[in-house]
Amino acid sequence: KQEVTQIPAALSVPEGENLVLNCSFTDSAIYNLQWFRQDPGKGLTSLLLIQSSQREQTSGRLNASLDKSSGRSTLYIAASQPGDSATYLCAVRGAQKLVFGQGTRLTINP
Amino acid sequence: DAGVIQSPRHEVTEMGQEVTLRCKPISGHDYLFWYRQTMMRGLELLIYFNNNVPIDDSGMPEDRFSAKMPNASFSTLKIQPSEPRDSAVYFCASTPVLRVGINTEAFFGQGTRLTVV
Repeated sequence: KQEVTQIPAALSVPEGENLVLNCSFTDSAIYNLQWFRQDPGKGLTSLLLIQSSQREQTSGRLNASLDKSSGRSTLYIAASQPGDSATYLCAVRGAQKLVFGQGTRLTINP
Repeated sequence: DAGVIQSPRHEVTEMGQEVTLRCKPISGHDYLFWYRQTMMRGLELLIYFNNNVPIDDSGMPEDRFSAKMPNASFSTLKIQPSEPRDSAVYFCASTPVLRVGINTEAFFGQGTRLTVV
């Protein structure tokens, strides 16, 4: 059974810092890994999708990496801004199922 | 495409009543997922369908919960009878078939916030 863990559960940093969010998974037989953002009371917004054959994906100030063999992914946010404050979720796609971690609640302080 | 569409956005009902949540996936997507989100348990996968066929319903908490997908463009999640502990946000998501070279990104609806009083 796939289990996905995100550490830390919460993170608070001053504006402008670069930061890294972590995601680990127990079964390396994955098809892809997706990072989402969720604002309070809102739905899930897809940020980045990494296929299992890829090592990383970039979108603007965001960079996601994938190390399938060690069961890890990281989301790197450069030059953080208050608008980046949200909960970040990673989701791992196996043969069919899409399994989520518990998320990291990120607060960027002005 | 308008994306994954869920209705209603909010539902308030009394304990014991039947509740039906609805989802329209993105056209052409083969997979449909139903999730429940609470503060305590995060996002839980309830059930998912492939080509309208339920594949895994092991996440459905009780027999009070049932889900159907009568065609490729519509799915329902029904709770009967509803209880206060069913209060949560219910999300629907869809993805294309898993195939090399295909963008298999998952797209989510805006969710239905269910309150059972």
